[in-house]
Amino acid sequence: DIQMTQSPSSLSASLGDRVTITCRASPGISNNLAWYQQKPGKVPKLLIYAASTLQSGVPSRFSGSGSGTNFTLTISSLQPEDVATYYCQKYNSFPYTFGQGTKLEIK
Amino acid sequence: EVQLVESGGGLVKPGGSLRLSCAGSGFTFSNAWMNWVRQAPGKGLEWVGHIKSQTHGGTTDYAAPVKGRFSISRDDSENTLYLQMDSLKIEDTGVYYCILNPPYSDHWGQGTLVTVSS
Repeated sequence: DIQMTQSPSSLSASLGDRVTITCRASPGISNNLAWYQQKPGKVPKLLIYAASTLQSGVPSRFSGSGSGTNFTLTISSLQPEDVATYYCQKYNSFPYTFGQGTKLEIK
Repeated sequence: EVQLVESGGGLVKPGGSLRLSCAGSGFTFSNAWMNWVRQAPGKGLEWVGHIKSQTHGGTTDYAAPVKGRFSISRDDSENTLYLQMDSLKIEDTGVYYCILNPPYSDHWGQGTLVTVSS
């Protein structure tokens, strides 16, 4: 099975900071990767699919990049409402594995 | 508007069985490939399994921890997805969600809580 390694597991940043979360797939998965945001006590929300396509309604400060084995979720300027846990998920083939999650907090 | 409503969760003893349901609306259910995802208390998301549309054979696939114990089915006449869970273990405890196949996984219900405990 393809392994999904997400890092870091937790992250503390200041408001306005640029934040980067990475996800590595081994072996590669082309661009078949989604990113989700889960705020405390809420259900997950799709942010990005096909590695870099922003889901409708998601703020433009979120962006995704990568293909093959290395992927990145970037928040260009951290806002208070971005406090959440972020997950990547591969969907090129079964199993549709999620990354372990990155818990993002405000410093 | 797409809606997914999970039901059927509850408290069950280890070794017991439970059947979850997911009612879909606002989209053509019969064409949809559907997934079950779960989340243990305080833990991350875990993909459970998948079923293709009947047009694509209605085949299923499962995560290793549930293979042989869980079974996914669908009733397109009722726009309902099912998850039959047998031989339940304590580690199956969590909230279970049904979602459309990525990349169309932008709608999540509130989930249904399954608690496996003696």
